[in-house]
Amino acid sequence: AQRVTQPEKLLSVFKGAPVELKCNYSYSGSPELFWYVQYSRQRLQLLLRHISRESIKGFTADLNKGETSFHLKKPFAQEEDSAMYYCALVTNTGNQFYFGTGTSLTVIP
Amino acid sequence: EPEVTQTPSHQVTQMGQEVILRCVPISNHLYFYWYRQILGQKVEFLVSFYNNEISEKSEIFDDQFSVERPDGSNFTLKIRSTKLEDSAMYFCASSVQGAPYEQYFGPGTRLTVT
Repeated sequence: AQRVTQPEKLLSVFKGAPVELKCNYSYSGSPELFWYVQYSRQRLQLLLRHISRESIKGFTADLNKGETSFHLKKPFAQEEDSAMYYCALVTNTGNQFYFGTGTSLTVIP
Repeated sequence: EPEVTQTPSHQVTQMGQEVILRCVPISNHLYFYWYRQILGQKVEFLVSFYNNEISEKSEIFDDQFSVERPDGSNFTLKIRSTKLEDSAMYFCASSVQGAPYEQYFGPGTRLTVT
């Protein structure tokens, strides 16, 4: 069965420090991985997806099939990055997103 | 920029009552979804809908749940006889095509069953 694990519920970093939000998945096929973000009182919105290999707001994520990971990284955290981050997986046979439990990131000024 | 909208933002209902949650997906999108998030837990898939029929549903989506697209714009989730454990945030989403295309989420409806 497919599963997404985000081991950290809460993560605090200082402004300007590097940040890494961990995501591990289990799925026997070839998954599509996404990061969604939810800022305070706003809706879930797509941050990035691995197939586009783009950098959004300075964030990047690399799919590591050997480690079954899709960690989200940013070299210098900003206060406006404080939000809830969800890693999500889509299988190659369906349309549903499987979400992790989310990591709440706080960037301390 | 077009957005998915949901009404109401908060619904309080008594156990055993029927409730209908409404969503207006983005107009040119063809795929529609409902997810729910129980407080403190992860976002869970309920159902996907395409071409006027359910294309996929989870174990959560039992006979108490139904979805409908009654007209060209609305997409509704009905819970026939609500239970306390149905209390959650319900998110509607839509996408122009199926996965792996981006799903655009609405702001959610908080359902409280008393």
